[in-house]
Amino acid sequence: NAGVMQNPRHLVRRRGQEARLRCSPMKGHSHVYWYRQLPEEGLKFMVYLQKENIIDESGMPKERFSAEFPKEGPSILRIQQVVRGDSAAYFCASSPPGQGGTFGSGTRLTVV
Amino acid sequence: GQNIDQPTEMTATEGAIVQINCTYQTSGFNGLFWYQQHAGEAPTFLSYNVLDGLEEKGRFSSFLSRSKGYSYLLLKELQMKDSASYLCAVRVPADKLIFGTGTRLQVFP
Repeated sequence: NAGVMQNPRHLVRRRGQEARLRCSPMKGHSHVYWYRQLPEEGLKFMVYLQKENIIDESGMPKERFSAEFPKEGPSILRIQQVVRGDSAAYFCASSPPGQGGTFGSGTRLTVV
Repeated sequence: GQNIDQPTEMTATEGAIVQINCTYQTSGFNGLFWYQQHAGEAPTFLSYNVLDGLEEKGRFSSFLSRSKGYSYLLLKELQMKDSASYLCAVRVPADKLIFGTGTRLQVFP
């Protein structure tokens, strides 16, 4: 886990604000996955990115959510106009191609 | 569709053996993972099966039958610190993981 860095660890936002979650993959890893875990539920796939490219975004809600993985810098998961239902733990995983992924410590988003 | 089933909760006694089952029906299969997750923490990798059979790693073993869409995680010599959620996940194209809801294991002294 130490290699995948997520920040912030905890994030509190009021309804209607924007949330930005950051993920720096392990050194040498070129793929990033974002998962969401609602309280008492399993992890749900959201999006899979390579540098400057979205490979699979089939798990992303159609509105308010976006993700990017620029050539330089961390991957960003952006949630606009947050609602209470967005409160969850958001985990990032990084891997070289063909691997399952090493998870970061997660960002716990609370919408008040 | 993608469907992964595992029991919601299990209990066991310290020193005992417990088997956590997982059945899956997925569009594509590129391997099955087991993760351990303590409350409030990230999942940590336990095992990976891509071929049928048993993989043993210390106190933990994992079994896979692709024809039956079935796996289990076997934990031996249970310790209190093994109390956690155990997540079964299937890797499907294109390399994403589909998770079950997890099995919460409680180990009692």
